[in-house]
Amino acid sequence: KAGVTQTPRYLIKTRGQQVTLSCSPISGHRSVSWYQQTPGQGLQFLFEYFSETQRNKGNFPGRFSGRQFSNSRSEMNVSTLELGDSALYLCASSQGPSKGETQYFGPGTRLLVL
Amino acid sequence: AQSVTQLDSQVPVFEEAPVELRCNYSSSVSVYLFWYVQYPNQGLQLLLKYLSGSTLVKGINGFEAEFNKSQTSFHLRKPSVHISDTAEYFCAVSDLGDSSYKLIFGSGTRLLVRP
Repeated sequence: KAGVTQTPRYLIKTRGQQVTLSCSPISGHRSVSWYQQTPGQGLQFLFEYFSETQRNKGNFPGRFSGRQFSNSRSEMNVSTLELGDSALYLCASSQGPSKGETQYFGPGTRLLVL
Repeated sequence: AQSVTQLDSQVPVFEEAPVELRCNYSSSVSVYLFWYVQYPNQGLQLLLKYLSGSTLVKGINGFEAEFNKSQTSFHLRKPSVHISDTAEYFCAVSDLGDSSYKLIFGSGTRLLVRP
C-alpha cells in the first residue's frame, strides 16, 4: 500500500496570506490527525478527523481549521498567516476504530512564512 | 492534563554501546504509550507501542521499552547502537479517556551515535 502523502512538500507564503495543506491517508484508513512541529514548541496536536467528523481539536486559534472528505482525504487551512506559523505540518492516518492502532505519518509539509 | 517528559534533549553515545532514552508521563490514568523515530527531513516512524500485557515491549531495529506503571515511565533501550540510529526519538501517550487518536508528545531526544 502507498503511504501517507502530503502536498505540497514545501511552501513559502507571506504574512496575512492563507494556505491549504492536503493529506491523503493510507487506503482504508478513516482517521487523519494533524500536528505542528516547531523547534520551540515541539510536536503539537492540531485536530483529528474520523469518518468526516472532527473528534478533537488542539489549543490553536480559530485561524487553523480542517476538514475531511468522504474518501478520507483531509485538508487543513491556515488563514491570516503569521511568522510563528512557520513549521513542519505532519499528518497521520489510522485505520480505526481501535485507539491502539498504529498511526502512520506522512513526510510533512514545510511552511515558511515571510 | 496529560504531559510527557523526555529529560535528555541530546544523548551522545559511541557505536556498539548500549543506550537508554528516558520518558516519563504525568498521569496515572490508563494510557497507551509509543516511541517514534524521526530521521532528518522525514516524518515519524513507529518504533514500538505498549497497549497492555507484558511490560517489556520489543520493537523494530532492535529497540525495546519497559512500561513501569508505578514510576509512570516508558524508557527506550537498545543494547548496541549503530551509526544509522542517529535520529530524534519521541515518546508519546494516548489517553484512553479521550475518544480521538490524539497523541501527546515529549520534546524529543536527539541520539547522536559516534564512531
